[in-house]
Amino acid sequence: QITLKESGPTLVKPTQTLTLTCTFSGFSLSTSGVGVGWIRQPPGKALEWLALIYWDDDKRYSPSLKSRLTITKDTSKNQVVLTMTNMDPVDTATYYCAHRPRSPNRMHNWFDPWGQGTLVTVSS
Amino acid sequence: QSVLTQPPSVSAAPGQKVTISCSGSSSNIGNNYVSWYQQLPGTAPKLLIYDNNKRPSGIPDRFSGSKSGTSATLGITGLQTGDEADYYCGTWDSSLSWVFGGGTKLTVL
Repeated sequence: QITLKESGPTLVKPTQTLTLTCTFSGFSLSTSGVGVGWIRQPPGKALEWLALIYWDDDKRYSPSLKSRLTITKDTSKNQVVLTMTNMDPVDTATYYCAHRPRSPNRMHNWFDPWGQGTLVTVSS
Repeated sequence: QSVLTQPPSVSAAPGQKVTISCSGSSSNIGNNYVSWYQQLPGTAPKLLIYDNNKRPSGIPDRFSGSKSGTSATLGITGLQTGDEADYYCGTWDSSLSWVFGGGTKLTVL
């Protein structure tokens, strides 16, 4: 059974850097074809994809947020970390991490399952 | 403004059928697989359909997916009150990024 859980601060101040950790079990990020993605959802709004890291450390970012995002993995700890710099109140959202099932084609993606999400509020 | 266009809301009576459309372009839906996600109130999204029309284990066959050209459709038959949720389509885009639709709120009248 695959599970993922997000952790990190619930409140950050404007201009600060947000660091979120996704801790997972039931799969290994060293397995060929696997990946982990980050998605966020502002209150009452739609899902927004942020980043994806593949088994071979290849990374993809949302074009609109690329300059602010960094995704890394620690295979030994079964963790993926997302950092987002220069936080703003508009970044207030629930942040989810999700498993990208095994596929050798990097454009062949879907997310299953998802973590429960963590609400991050940006306020001074 | 989402890259993929979905109707903001749809509704139907219990037992009826509903379809939710997802419109894109040759940069995304036209050349990539589509997946669909169900988000029940207050919960994380859940995969319903992947590879345009495949259901993960545990997803009832009341849920179906199809794709034609640059559009995809999610179909739900035998509507139940428990199907009331937000539904999102998603796919890969040639900008080397994943994109979601704006979401559709399903109301079972």
